[in-house]
Amino acid sequence: EADIYQTPRYLVIGTGKKITLECSQTMGHDKMYWYQQDPGMELHLIHYSYGVNSTEKGDLSSESTVSRIRTEHFPLTLESARPSHTSQYLCASSDFSDSQGGGQYFGPGTRLTVT
Amino acid sequence: GQNIDQPTEMTATEGAIVQINCTYQTSGFNGLFWYQQHAGEAPTFLSYNVLDGLEEKGRFSSFLSRSKGYSYLLLKELQMKDSASYLCAVKDSNYQLIWGAGTKLIIKP
Repeated sequence: EADIYQTPRYLVIGTGKKITLECSQTMGHDKMYWYQQDPGMELHLIHYSYGVNSTEKGDLSSESTVSRIRTEHFPLTLESARPSHTSQYLCASSDFSDSQGGGQYFGPGTRLTVT
Repeated sequence: GQNIDQPTEMTATEGAIVQINCTYQTSGFNGLFWYQQHAGEAPTFLSYNVLDGLEEKGRFSSFLSRSKGYSYLLLKELQMKDSASYLCAVKDSNYQLIWGAGTKLIIKP
């Protein structure tokens, strides 16, 4: 079944640690996105990618980096976690030719807590 | 700048009808989307409008007026499970999605 996956779902980590949040999709979508969202607040675009070897910064890069070596995989890395990084991280993908107008499909999210 | 406005919160009664409005000012327009997001979960796609008019999908309908920069999401026969945030998003001239802050809908028995 075509879907979008994120791991881990929950993560508690200490300040200064390096972490990688995983995102994979099996829908063959070219475009992928990372968002940060605090409870009850709006989505903030962190990074996005148009395809393999393409990465762009969004409005809120949040001191993170991404890579897109394979179409289906778009990991997000925080080099040195800080308490201000505590949030929910949502991965999404889209396909311009999708019958739903190229809308984005979201993974279940990773809830990150930095202590 | 680009801007999408939605009411922050709305309250409605189970079984009733509610209309959630969205106004937008963006650099270009390539479609408007409505998403539903339950607390602690990811947004899920509800509707897509690119031409003026009403799109109906079961209990949910979405309307678009491009000349007015306006859309609404209409929810009929409200159920308790409809309690969620409803996000309006517009695809701009660069085909990037611009997101509204969302409208939290509270359904009361």
